[in-house]
Amino acid sequence: EAQVTQNPRYLITVTGKKLTVTCSQNMNHEYMSWYRQDPGLGLRQIYYSMNVEVTDKGDVPEGYKVSRKEKRNFPLILESPSPNQTSLYFCASSRDRRYEQYFGPGTRLTVT
Amino acid sequence: RKEVEQDPGPFNVPEGATVAFNCTYSNSASQSFFWYRQDCRKEPKLLMSVYSSGNEDGRFTAQLNRASQYISLLIRDSKLSDSATYLCVVNYGGYNKLIFGAGTRLAVHP
Repeated sequence: EAQVTQNPRYLITVTGKKLTVTCSQNMNHEYMSWYRQDPGLGLRQIYYSMNVEVTDKGDVPEGYKVSRKEKRNFPLILESPSPNQTSLYFCASSRDRRYEQYFGPGTRLTVT
Repeated sequence: RKEVEQDPGPFNVPEGATVAFNCTYSNSASQSFFWYRQDCRKEPKLLMSVYSSGNEDGRFTAQLNRASQYISLLIRDSKLSDSATYLCVVNYGGYNKLIFGAGTRLAVHP
């Protein structure tokens, strides 16, 4: 089954404790992206990747890092989480930025 | 001004009604347009792409007006299962990203 998976689905952590949210897709897509969704603001892009070893900042990259060492994986790293990073995070992939994006199920992160 | 704007709603309509949503975008260089559907706390899923000539998929019709920089979604014969948030999405040709509207909430009641 074609899908995008994310782990963990739910995470409660404390300020400053490094964490990684994993994202994996099995569709051989080149384009992958991370979004955060906050009430009233919609989905905002954090980082995206056009292909292996090619990543770039989206609209709200501050406080986040990503890597793309393999085509299927695109982890999101929060080196020192802060409460303003409490949000719902989605990973997405597509064969190209112009086409349909397939989203993972989301990760609900709470930073206290 | 937001790059992509939508009326947040909610639109409360009875089953069988016809409902229309509009979405405006600010960048005239936009090239690709989509409507996504998002159920509460779930991931967005593509409802339909929007083509210049307009397109229809069953009860759903999407239109693009480049001159006025808006896209629309028309839902006919609303079903209870249509209750969701509808996201307008725009891709700017020279940029490798999609811009999402904040969404319009639709509630269909019996």
